[in-house]
Amino acid sequence: QTVVTQEPSLSVSPGGTVTLTCGLSSGSVSTRYYPSWYQQTPGQAPRTLIYYADTRSSEVPDRFSGSILGNKAALTITGAQADDESDYYCVLYMGSGIYVFGSGTKVTVL
Amino acid sequence: QVQLQESGPGLVKPSQTLSLTCTVSGGSISSGSYYWSWIRQPAGKGLEYIGRIYTTGSTNYNPSLRSRVTISIDTSKNQFSLKLSSATAADTAVYYCARVDVLTENFQHWGQGTLVTVSS
Repeated sequence: QTVVTQEPSLSVSPGGTVTLTCGLSSGSVSTRYYPSWYQQTPGQAPRTLIYYADTRSSEVPDRFSGSILGNKAALTITGAQADDESDYYCVLYMGSGIYVFGSGTKVTVL
Repeated sequence: QVQLQESGPGLVKPSQTLSLTCTVSGGSISSGSYYWSWIRQPAGKGLEYIGRIYTTGSTNYNPSLRSRVTISIDTSKNQFSLKLSSATAADTAVYYCARVDVLTENFQHWGQGTLVTVSS
């Protein structure tokens, strides 16, 4: 069974930079998996930040960026703000209509 | 702007079938540019993909739920639906419907979610 790995939690100082990663239990993440990133605050539905690895969704601040770093997808927040404190999920498309969500990363800004 | 809204019973008895409907407004569910998907999230836990349907009625399901899940589409009502049979307490979750872009596989629009509790 495919497992998508994410850091359980990360912290960043206001104005600082943090990088979240999204890996596979076996194999490397590439654009063939159409990696996407979602932000979720408590009680709210997720919203898209990044899709197809590095394309920023409309109205998403440019302090959010996506990339492939080594064998993982990555989401970088540059110049973190207090309201970036959220849960972040990556999703990989495995083909044949199957998507696998990562377990999420809780980002704390302190 | 497209909007999605989940509806259905908030309480389901164990062993019964959980049924939800997602109503799409501001766009046609018949568009060939999107899949229509269901995702769920137990309280305090992560997101789990349930399945998706295309305007043609073609479906794909999470292998872990495939034996119990049916997703259908009603283009005349601009709605798609989820049925999850033999519900147990483990199916208690917030259920989201979402629109997925065919080209980018991006879950680009989400409903607000609806809580379904499985309990006697």
